[in-house]
This record gives sequence, structure tokens and C-alpha cells, in this order.
Amino acid sequence: QKEVEQNSGPLSVPEGAIASLNCTYSDRVSQSFFWYRQYSGKSPELIMSIYSNGDKEDGRFTAQLNKASQYVSLLIRDSQPSDSATYLCAVNTGTASKLTFGTGTRLQVTL
Amino acid sequence: NAGVTQTPKFQVLKTGQSMTLQCAQDMNHNSMYWYRQDPGMGLRLIYYSASEGTTDKGEVPNGYNVSRLNKREFSLRLESAAPSQTSVYFCASSVQTTDTEAFFGQGTRLTVV
Repeated sequence: QKEVEQNSGPLSVPEGAIASLNCTYSDRVSQSFFWYRQYSGKSPELIMSIYSNGDKEDGRFTAQLNKASQYVSLLIRDSQPSDSATYLCAVNTGTASKLTFGTGTRLQVTL
Repeated sequence: NAGVTQTPKFQVLKTGQSMTLQCAQDMNHNSMYWYRQDPGMGLRLIYYSASEGTTDKGEVPNGYNVSRLNKREFSLRLESAAPSQTSVYFCASSVQTTDTEAFFGQGTRLTVV
């Protein structure tokens, strides 16, 4: 089992809809969770971090964490064509001192 | 603000050649990382340095060496390049290794022929 798993997609949503991106992780002691956005040919950029169970909102983005289910998600409201990118989930266990990435989900926002 | 700067941006090597990828950060971060990114494989950690003076292996360290030259700089060396090392390499830094986000450089696209 991979440490961090994501559906590779592509996930296609129409403009203005809500995009829901999911991530599961295997290490129960994981403490920090991050979502990165990566445009084609560019480097990953951080868009959200979440450390405790529940929801965290930042503009059109909401991160959701459920440690009991070992599940973290990212919701993008009012999706725009500029949101089309690959979204990487990253998990830090706190003990292994490293950030482990999923393979990413490619999001396509259609007009 | 420069952030994390990597050089070079592109490089073509012949099998068996050596080279060093340079990385520098100006954010006064303690921790630095080298990742490689291959299609369908996501980002995989090669080596990391939790703080100045320390380095540790990541998930895929074979064929690579690193040097944490000072707090700002962390270099990655390929002693004898192989086609399997064709990849995009990213350097990243963070305040510390736990519970803090990492910031990435612009990447180095390396091709080994």
C-alpha cells in the first residue's frame, strides 16, 4: 500500500462547479497535511495546510481532515479554468521527518 | 523575493558523466530537500537535510550524493549519470522538517542519454 494515495484523474468539472479532490494516507501518526497545486511544467505551490480534524477554509478552497478515517480532501468552489492543474496531497508523519507526496490528481475545469 | 533558486534549469548529460545541481534559499529555513518527479510516480524524496550539518537518505538515494554547504545551500551530485536518472529535480526548503510547509524551487529538467 502506498503511503499517500490519490486518484490520478483526470477529474473534469464544469466552470462554476465544486471540485472535490481526495487523498488517503496509511500512517496513523501523520500530523500535518498539505495540498499543493502544480501547473504543467511548473513547480508545486502550497495552497492549503491542515493540522487538526475538521474543515479549514481559505477563499474558494476548503481542506477537510478526518484522522480516524485517514482521509484528507480539498474542495474548490466556483471552479475556474485557471484551477486546471495537478493537485498533490502531502503528508508529514512528524516522526519520519519527511514530506510524502501522493501522485497527484489532474483537474480539468471545462468552459 | 527569490525564495528557492535552483541551477541549472535544463541539462543534458551523457551516461557516465557527473554533475552537481545547486540549490540556495534565502528564507532562513533550517531544512532542505531534494525530490525527483517522474510521470505517474509523484514526487519522491532523494535526500534531505534537517538542519545545517546533517543529511539523511530519503526514499530513492541510490546514485546520488548531497552536501549541505551552509544554511542556505544544498547541492545534489550525480557521480555517474544513468538514463534512469532522467527526471525533473526539485529542491525545497522549510522552517523545520515537521509540521511546516515546504517551498519549492523552479526545478531542473535533466536528461541522461
